[in-house]
Amino acid sequence: NAGVTQTPKFRILKIGQSMTLQCTQDMNHNYMYWYRQDPGMGLKLIYYSVGAGITDKGEVPNGYNVSRSTTEDFPLRLELAAPSQTSVYFCASSYTNRGDQPQHFGDGTRLSIL
Amino acid sequence: AQSVAQPEDQVNVAEGNPLTVKCTYSVSGNPYLFWYVQYPNRGLQFLLKYITGDNLVKGSYGFEAEFNKSQTSFHLKKPSALVSDSALYFCAVRDTLGAGSYQLTFGKGTKLSVIP
Repeated sequence: NAGVTQTPKFRILKIGQSMTLQCTQDMNHNYMYWYRQDPGMGLKLIYYSVGAGITDKGEVPNGYNVSRSTTEDFPLRLELAAPSQTSVYFCASSYTNRGDQPQHFGDGTRLSIL
Repeated sequence: AQSVAQPEDQVNVAEGNPLTVKCTYSVSGNPYLFWYVQYPNRGLQFLLKYITGDNLVKGSYGFEAEFNKSQTSFHLKKPSALVSDSALYFCAVRDTLGAGSYQLTFGKGTKLSVIP
């Protein structure tokens, strides 16, 4: 059972470049999330989706975009990379919108902007 | 607004000793509380949750947590620490009242080191 899969695992970008972080899950979860993790700061929600075709902003959405064309995939796009976007990015999913359900996380994408 | 605090950046404990990782929270309604563990270069793994009912919650790998409403705390505990428990631990909260019910708020994490 693969769970939540993120690609790539590591990436170095130059300032101003763009890239897409891929996330796919095979658990048929409706709800998907993107977080960033900075040292000593916990996780911050960037965007989330409650189903195919529906996305919404989280706490720190600036500089990012998402799409959700299928239940399985939830890519995160950086259009103009900036040093402040150097971080570890985690994708997560959950089956329902009930608040008591835990989220399942991928292993992350480590992104450096130089 | 919901918030969670983990007052200790690092906890050191000797192997075989009991361990406690502290968490306090603030919500408007009733809380849903979670503990996650993160091993190096991995994503977060769910350990346990408190939703309602018994204040002592048991989870994976022998961990348990005690919900204390009066102290707004949800401390993670284990009776006997293992070296393999060394990892980063995150407490998270979701408020049952108000908007943003999809959103978990995470603490900053506590690094647990179990010394052989």
